[in-house]
Amino acid sequence: AQKVTQAQTEISVVEKEDVTLDCVYETRDTTYYLFWYKQPPSGELVFLIRRNSFDEQNEISGRYSWNFQKSTSSFNFTITASQVVDSAVYFCALSEAEDAGNNRKLIWGLGTSLAVNP
Amino acid sequence: DAGVTQSPTHLIKTRGQQVTLRCSPKSGHDTVSWYQQALGQGPQFIFQYYEEEERQRGNFPDRFSGHQFPNYSSELNVNALLLGDSALYLCASSPTGTGNTEAFFGQGTRLTVV
Repeated sequence: AQKVTQAQTEISVVEKEDVTLDCVYETRDTTYYLFWYKQPPSGELVFLIRRNSFDEQNEISGRYSWNFQKSTSSFNFTITASQVVDSAVYFCALSEAEDAGNNRKLIWGLGTSLAVNP
Repeated sequence: DAGVTQSPTHLIKTRGQQVTLRCSPKSGHDTVSWYQQALGQGPQFIFQYYEEEERQRGNFPDRFSGHQFPNYSSELNVNALLLGDSALYLCASSPTGTGNTEAFFGQGTRLTVV
């Protein structure tokens, strides 16, 4: 069975601190996708990144970076020099690869609530 | 170009009633998925529609049903509402066969059952 674990329920940091959000996943599939989404108080889920299981290269996008390690089944997300606007709930999610052209469902963690204080 | 739009944004219903939630996908997207997000939880997959058919279904009772129209818009219907159905209902649209690469979510419908 597929499962996503985000062990950190809440994190509070002071602006400009670096913060890492942990994500551990379980799957028996060899091909799968991992995602991070941001959910601000408005409720809309904002896509941040998708990583293919065959691509273990770390990725950096501005202040955001992601560390994918298949050996430990982890896909961690780091925000460098955090800002108040980064305050939100962050979700890690997992899906199988497409099946006969159909996009597979997303399996979600419980989310990590990040509060960045001025 | 409008993204995914959902209506209504908020809804209050009484236990036992029926409710219909609506979703218009992003232009060019033909696959619509529905998720239920209880307070403090991650979203839970309800079902997915493509070509007006239900293609995948999560672990939800038959009280939850849906429909997709020829213009790809979709409805989620919930019958015999329970207090536990209170949640944020999210619609996601994507082009088929893209592995959710371009999955976009609406702002959700917050349903309160009293």
